[in-house]
Amino acid sequence: GQNIDQPTEMTATEGAIVQINCTYQTSGFNGLFWYQQHAGEAPTFLSYNVLDGLEEKGRFSSFLSRSKGYSYLLLKELQMKDSASYLCAVRDSNYQLIWGAGTKLIIKP
Amino acid sequence: ETGVTQTPRHLVMGMTNKKSLKCEQHLGHNAMYWYKQSAKKPLELMFVYSLEERVENNSVPSRFSPECPNSSHLFLHLHTLQPEDSALYLCASSQGETGNPYEQYFGPGTRLTVT
Repeated sequence: GQNIDQPTEMTATEGAIVQINCTYQTSGFNGLFWYQQHAGEAPTFLSYNVLDGLEEKGRFSSFLSRSKGYSYLLLKELQMKDSASYLCAVRDSNYQLIWGAGTKLIIKP
Repeated sequence: ETGVTQTPRHLVMGMTNKKSLKCEQHLGHNAMYWYKQSAKKPLELMFVYSLEERVENNSVPSRFSPECPNSSHLFLHLHTLQPEDSALYLCASSQGETGNPYEQYFGPGTRLTVT
C-alpha cells in the first residue's frame, strides 16, 4: 500500500529552527508538496520538490531525497504564527496525491 | 471574492436530512476536488472534476453525490448521512489535474456534524 509518515506533533521555541520529516512509500513519484494549515483554516501551499536537493524560500526550506523516500521541511527563525499543522503530500505514478496525516507544530515563547 | 470559497462554513444535520455544500473558485482553474478531513487522519480525496467531467471517485458511499455545473462551481449533495461522516469537508482547485505539478488551492472548508 501507499503510505506517508510524519510525526504527529512537535514543539519548538520561538526564534529557533525546526525540521519536520516526511517519509513515503508510494507507487511511483511525481513530486512532493508541503502545505501549512492553521487551525480552522484552509491548507495553503508552501513548497514543491520533484528533484533531489534543497529548495529555499525565505524562512522555509524543503529537502528531497528520492532514493531514500524522504523529505523534510525546515523552518528557521520561528515565529508564533508558525504554529500550525504541516502536511506532506506525494504525487504517485497515477498523478494522485497521497497525503500524510500532518504534523502539528507548537511554538512556545 | 477571491480564491476558493465554501458555504456554509458550519453545518449540523440529522441523519435523515438532505443538504448541499457549495464551492466556488475565482482563479480560472479547470480542476476541482472534494476532500474529507478527519482529526489526525490524512486528507481523503473524494471526487475530482477536470473540465467539468468527473475523473476520480474513490469508492465514496452513494450518500455523497457531487455535481459540477461549470468549471467555477462544485457541489456536494448529502443525504442520509451517518455520524461517522462528521468531518471537515474541503474543496480545492488547480490549474490542471493529471500530470500537472501545479499546487491545489483550498477553500476554508465546511465543518459538518451529523447528529
